[in-house]
Amino acid sequence: DTEVTQTPKHLVMGMTNKKSLKCEQHMGHRAMYWYKQKAKKPPELMFVYSYEKLSINESVPSRFSPECPNSSLLNLHLHALQPEDSALYLCASSQDVIRSGAMNTEAFFGQGTRLTVV
Amino acid sequence: EDKVVQSPLSLVVHEGDTVTLNCSYEVTNFRSLLWYKQEKKAPTFLFMLTSSGIEKKSGRLSSILDKKELSSILNITATQTGDSAIYLCAVLVGAGGTSYGKLTFGQGTILTVHP
Repeated sequence: DTEVTQTPKHLVMGMTNKKSLKCEQHMGHRAMYWYKQKAKKPPELMFVYSYEKLSINESVPSRFSPECPNSSLLNLHLHALQPEDSALYLCASSQDVIRSGAMNTEAFFGQGTRLTVV
Repeated sequence: EDKVVQSPLSLVVHEGDTVTLNCSYEVTNFRSLLWYKQEKKAPTFLFMLTSSGIEKKSGRLSSILDKKELSSILNITATQTGDSAIYLCAVLVGAGGTSYGKLTFGQGTILTVHP
């Protein structure tokens, strides 16, 4: 199973709403990522979790709040978003453990959540 | 700041043509370079390259990494209309001893294959 599952696939929310995006993988990967992708642009890293701890926060506004309840799940809580936050939100995971100098690690992406903020 | 640059930004070819997509990078703590194909939604993994000079092949697609030149190429032979997509190059970086990595993407190459 090389699948990363994201829900929901589409989400429309108002600027005062609170919603959550969910991501799940069962590949035993210990690193999980949130990316934001605007139309015709490459994915931009938002957060990296490693062993369920936040490792990287790319200066993301506090209206985006990540959470990693266990090694298989990654959530992104959304609150008071702006219309410019509308984008495709991608989750990815990778094994990402350095063992004896081996650095081979593939990163797999979920299908994304298409978010529209109105 | 880590940087990944792809060229060309867009390419239009006819079925049967061979294309070469380029990716160059300037990063600290390079770990591996990945190629993805993105059609409508999520990037689909194609190749991961860690060692220089070793070609990876999958059907009509192949890729090779040149660590000395800090670059990689993705070749697609006998292109088909189904190859039309955005091809993304990403570099995984990570400090030694840590267990996380950061993927930095290039801008992508938009490939259009006409019948």
